[in-house]
Amino acid sequence: GIQVEQSPPDLILQEGANSTLRCNFSDSVNNLQWFHQNPWGQLINLFYIPSGTKQNGRLSATTVATERYSLLYISSSQTTDSGVYFCAVRGGTSGTYKYIFGTGTRLKVLA
Amino acid sequence: GAGVSQTPSNKVTEKGKYVELRCDPISGHTALYWYRQSLGQGPEFLIYFQGTGAADDSGLPNDRFFAVRPEGSVSTLKIQRTERGDSAVYLCASSGGGSSYNEQFFGPGTRLTVL
Repeated sequence: GIQVEQSPPDLILQEGANSTLRCNFSDSVNNLQWFHQNPWGQLINLFYIPSGTKQNGRLSATTVATERYSLLYISSSQTTDSGVYFCAVRGGTSGTYKYIFGTGTRLKVLA
Repeated sequence: GAGVSQTPSNKVTEKGKYVELRCDPISGHTALYWYRQSLGQGPEFLIYFQGTGAADDSGLPNDRFFAVRPEGSVSTLKIQRTERGDSAVYLCASSGGGSSYNEQFFGPGTRLTVL
């Protein structure tokens, strides 16, 4: 099955700093989502982005499907951005319906 | 409802007991997923429903786990003879509505503790 790796595993930022989170996957995908899991455990949708670039406020994401990676950019970080960021992919040559999650990037933003 | 809901939010049971976890998807969503998340890990796929049928149950760990979606809406995850290793947060997601057809939306989860 598809392998999903996220980097870095942990990240500490000062408020106002920018960051880039990376998601690498081992096979072709037809769906890719980025999520933020807040400290209460709720998974919040950030982007549905199997290819291309999207922006939403201080966040943007780019997926280069042919090179099997996706990037999540956080600009002007705030303490409320703290939590774990996951990418989840579906696809691969087997045509499976299951989504595979990466192990996440744990972000802490300091005031 | 406006979002995916799950009940109960917390469930504590004793080893060997039977538990049922419920998921109410977003109205009109045809696809429903169950995941399990252990501490410090990403969600792990359990089962996928399209309508009433389980299209992919390859993630169910063993035959103690079973899920149903009899009317294509609410789903129940059933765990028999619970073991301490079943302790985790069980998450439900739905998709399949409108312009965001392939986008999953998650519920708040049920935290299961097996003593």
